Amino acid sequence: SYELTQPPSVSVSPGQTARITCSGDALPRKYAYWYQQKSGQAPVLVIYEDSKRPSGIPERFSGSSSGTMATLTVSGAQVEDEAAYYCYSFDSSGNLKGVFGGGTKLTVL
Amino acid sequence: QVQLVQSGSELKKPGASVKVSCKASGYTFTSDAMNWVRQAPGQGLEWMGWIDTNTGNPMYAQDFTGRFVFSLDTSVNTAYLQISGLKADDTAVYYCARDSQGAVAVTWGQGTLVTVSS
Repeated sequence: SYELTQPPSVSVSPGQTARITCSGDALPRKYAYWYQQKSGQAPVLVIYEDSKRPSGIPERFSGSSSGTMATLTVSGAQVEDEAAYYCYSFDSSGNLKGVFGGGTKLTVL
Repeated sequence: QVQLVQSGSELKKPGASVKVSCKASGYTFTSDAMNWVRQAPGQGLEWMGWIDTNTGNPMYAQDFTGRFVFSLDTSVNTAYLQISGLKADDTAVYYCARDSQGAVAVTWGQGTLVTVSS
């Protein structure tokens, strides 16, 4: 079955830039989505269709995709950005079956 | 505002069934697909599948065929997840999440904890 691969953890100091990657064979053809999940809360969509930001999401969150890798960038990370981040995309079969990456714990301290 | 409100926590014995509800408000229920997502304790998110709220046609991820059923009651703007033959490793928080305007899982319910224990 199709898989998306993320690093288990990323750590930055406040104000630094955090980059979280997501690799998958179908990413050249399929959009990536990114979700933030803080402890004990439901996930929140922070990036859709590779690089679009929903209303209400701070500008420091951005997304990009190149080849088989999508990247979520948090510019000037803040303590409140500490959370698990999950990428999501579809396999290439055309049947609209999705998959989440394993998640990346972002630590800001 | 757009809101998804899920039913409360459930404690079930192995072999039993459970039905989780997800009541939508603030938008036209039949205009956007509804996803279901599982999160086992301390683990990541698993996409279970989605249901076309216009046709009622479900799509299940590979690991969620057979015991898992998505359904709708459009008269009360509610989506349902039913799990039969519960096992201990079905213990998880189950989320519903609505697609919108081409974006996947834009709005999420608060989650429903299902605990399977004898």
